[in-house]
Amino acid sequence: DGGITQSPKYLFRKEGQNVTLSCEQNLNHDAMYWYRQDPGQGLRLIYYSQIVNDFQKGDIAEGYSVSREKKESFPLTVTSAQKNPTAFYLCASSISAYTDTQYFGPGTRLTVL
Amino acid sequence: GIQVEQSPPDLILQEGANSTLRCNFSDSVNNLQWFHQNPWGQLINLFYIPSGTKQNGRLSATTVATERYSLLYISSSQTTDSGVYFCAVEQASGTYKYIFGTGTRLKVLA
Repeated sequence: DGGITQSPKYLFRKEGQNVTLSCEQNLNHDAMYWYRQDPGQGLRLIYYSQIVNDFQKGDIAEGYSVSREKKESFPLTVTSAQKNPTAFYLCASSISAYTDTQYFGPGTRLTVL
Repeated sequence: GIQVEQSPPDLILQEGANSTLRCNFSDSVNNLQWFHQNPWGQLINLFYIPSGTKQNGRLSATTVATERYSLLYISSSQTTDSGVYFCAVEQASGTYKYIFGTGTRLKVLA
């Protein structure tokens, strides 16, 4: 089955700890994206990657880091510098950054205790 | 940056009713997508529609790029249509970044 997987589904973290969210796709898509969603709000772009070994900051990149060492993987690290990390995190991919439809994973709910 | 406004913010319908959701944007766009987010958080792409009209079953969408708006039509609504509908636009400056509206929360009653 082709698709995007995110793990874990729920994640709890103590303040001051870094945590890494996983995103994997087997759609052979070049472009991948990370979004953050707060309750009752739309999605905001954190980072995106148009191709392997390349990524760009989105609108709210502060306190986050990413890597794109493999085409199918785009992990997101939420660092202790992120002041309000509790949110729903969504990963997406598309055939290329120049086109069209974005496909989303099921999301990870991060709660900082 | 570009502003994306959706209306209405909330909508309650009886099963079988029709509805129109609107997305206004403040600048020229390259791309526009409509998504449905179900109660469990999963986003499903409904339409990729930078201009023109498309239909998929009970859903259809129209984008009038020159007037900077898009409409999503839901006919004969079902309880499974409940959730939040988002439009997302990519600014015409070619940033490859989508800006999401704040959504329309739809509840369909049986």
